[in-house]
Amino acid sequence: KNEVEQSPQNLTAQEGEFITINCSYSVGISALHWLQQHPGGGIVSLFMLSSGKKKHGRLIATINIQEKHSSLHITASHPRDSAVYICAVRSGGGADGLTFGKGTHLIIQP
Amino acid sequence: DGGITQSPKYLFRKEGQNVTLSCEQNLNHDAMYWYRQDPGQGLRLIYYSQIVNDFQKGDIAEGYSVSREKKESFPLTVTSAQKNPTAFYLCASSIPRQGEAFFGQGTRLTVV
Repeated sequence: KNEVEQSPQNLTAQEGEFITINCSYSVGISALHWLQQHPGGGIVSLFMLSSGKKKHGRLIATINIQEKHSSLHITASHPRDSAVYICAVRSGGGADGLTFGKGTHLIIQP
Repeated sequence: DGGITQSPKYLFRKEGQNVTLSCEQNLNHDAMYWYRQDPGQGLRLIYYSQIVNDFQKGDIAEGYSVSREKKESFPLTVTSAQKNPTAFYLCASSIPRQGEAFFGQGTRLTVV
């Protein structure tokens, strides 16, 4: 079973700062997801990665398959970025769902 | 707009009662999933279904039951056998073994 570790667990930063959230996993995967959960609880999928790097607006996600590691970066952070960011992995084969990290609680102060 | 609808958003039940959480999707996805979220823990898989009339237990299936009579619908019943039912429940769907996962807005169940 895949183990997914995220760091940091909590992060408070000032508006405008560059944010990095890390995710490592223990077993080879077919895909890695970065998800965003707002206080109301609903989850939005930000990225799905199997290799390389993806960018969407101020968000950048990278993955290193050999190192079993992924990072989520937020440039020019804003208070509306405050949320819980969750890393989840799908191991190769099967449709038995995702394995989730515990999440990183991000607060961006104005 | 395609998506997943969970209802209700908040649900209160007395201890010992069964309760059913609704999940409907119009994304034409074959695979659907139920996850449970507790404070300080990652989401954990309760049940999943890859195709109509078939479903599999996840990591924490005890005390729960599901059905998949239609492709669009995957209701979860929290039975009185579930020892700690108070939690946040999320439904998701995807194309099996690939593809982006889409999530509902969740149902917060409180058992008193």
